Amino acid sequence: RKEVEQDPGPFNVPEGATVAFNCTYSNSASQSFFWYRQDCRKEPKLLMSVYSSGNEDGRFTAQLNRASQYISLLIRDSKLSDSATYLCVVNRNFNKFYFGSGTKLNVKP
Amino acid sequence: NAGVTQTPKFRILKIGQSMTLQCAQDMNHNYMYWYRQDPGMGLKLIYYSVGAGITDKGEVPNGYNVSRSTTEDFPLRLELAAPSQTSVYFCASRPTSGTTDTQYFGPGTRLTVL
Repeated sequence: RKEVEQDPGPFNVPEGATVAFNCTYSNSASQSFFWYRQDCRKEPKLLMSVYSSGNEDGRFTAQLNRASQYISLLIRDSKLSDSATYLCVVNRNFNKFYFGSGTKLNVKP
Repeated sequence: NAGVTQTPKFRILKIGQSMTLQCAQDMNHNYMYWYRQDPGMGLKLIYYSVGAGITDKGEVPNGYNVSRSTTEDFPLRLELAAPSQTSVYFCASRPTSGTTDTQYFGPGTRLTVL
């Protein structure tokens, strides 16, 4: 079983839409959680860390459910510039990071 | 402040050749990582280092070697290139082992083995 699983998409949404991505992780000992954004042929960049209480950064909201071992990312009022692949990342044993395969988002005018 | 730099950007190797992918960071980070990303896939950890002189294997270390003689540099060595090593290689660094500390990635090296 994969450490981190994501729906690959693509999610095709119009500008202004709200879109949600989910991610599940297999190891309950996982310690910290992140969403990264990766543009085509570029390096991943941190979008936001995910905290147990949930956290928000502008139009982006991340939630963590430890009991069900899933993480979500909600994007409100989608912009064309949000088009990218979103990677769910889980950290275990302090130094081992496990990446999902990514969910591709296409925001259309 | 250049962050994490990687060279070369692109490389084509023949089967059986060897090469070293260079990675350097100027942020004085203790932790450094090498990942590979195959098309349509997430990143997989090859090796990591928690400081100069200390390295450890990740998920997919076979066919690779690393060294960490200084805090700044973390080269990745491919000894006998195989087509299965065609991938994009990313180096990353992180300041500490704090659970919320993020990784900073270099721009990647695109390697093709023919």
